Amino acid sequence: SQTIHQWPATLVQPVGSPLSLECTVEGTSNPNLYWYRQAAGRGLQLLFYSVGIGQISSEVPQNLSASRPQDRQFILSSKKLLLSDSGFYLCAWSWKSESPLHFGNGTRLTVT
Amino acid sequence: GENVEQHPSTLSVQEGDSAVIKCTYSDSASNYFPWYKQELGKGPQLIIDIRSNVGEKKDQRIAVTLNKTAKHFSLHITETQPEDSAVYFCAASPSSNTGKLIFGQGTTLQVKP
Repeated sequence: SQTIHQWPATLVQPVGSPLSLECTVEGTSNPNLYWYRQAAGRGLQLLFYSVGIGQISSEVPQNLSASRPQDRQFILSSKKLLLSDSGFYLCAWSWKSESPLHFGNGTRLTVT
Repeated sequence: GENVEQHPSTLSVQEGDSAVIKCTYSDSASNYFPWYKQELGKGPQLIIDIRSNVGEKKDQRIAVTLNKTAKHFSLHITETQPEDSAVYFCAASPSSNTGKLIFGQGTTLQVKP
């Protein structure tokens, strides 16, 4: 069966510090991968998605970037965090189009 | 692009009553509509989904209906239980064929014992 792992579960970082969140998927190959952000009490905003190694699409202009160095690894990064980057970050995978997304348990990021 | 509107934002029901959450979408080419349940501090979990060639789907106490002409779909939970309390999200797949989903804003369901 397929599993998705995200870490860390919680993170407190000062403004201006770098960020690296990692997500890995097991039990499948060539999945679509996604990063979503969920602000407190809000819905899920798609940040990035990837349909293959090295292929990244950005949905909204922002202070973050994503990379997919391996088939089942997806990384969310920032060079300098802003207060507005605080939120709950969720990684997800899916088969190709029109199929369910399977989410990890998220990373709670607080920028102070 | 695709836009999904979800109502109500909060819903409180007595245990045993039914709960209904409604969503509308803008992209008439959307063909896939999943529903997710999110418990506190966890990622959303798929609870049921429906495709555009089906008008209704049921799984025990949960059912989803789809009206493609009106571009709306609904989640129905019958005989609610306290463990149904969570945030529920609807979603729709836009016609871009990338696999991504556009989510509604979520409904916080509280089931009172």
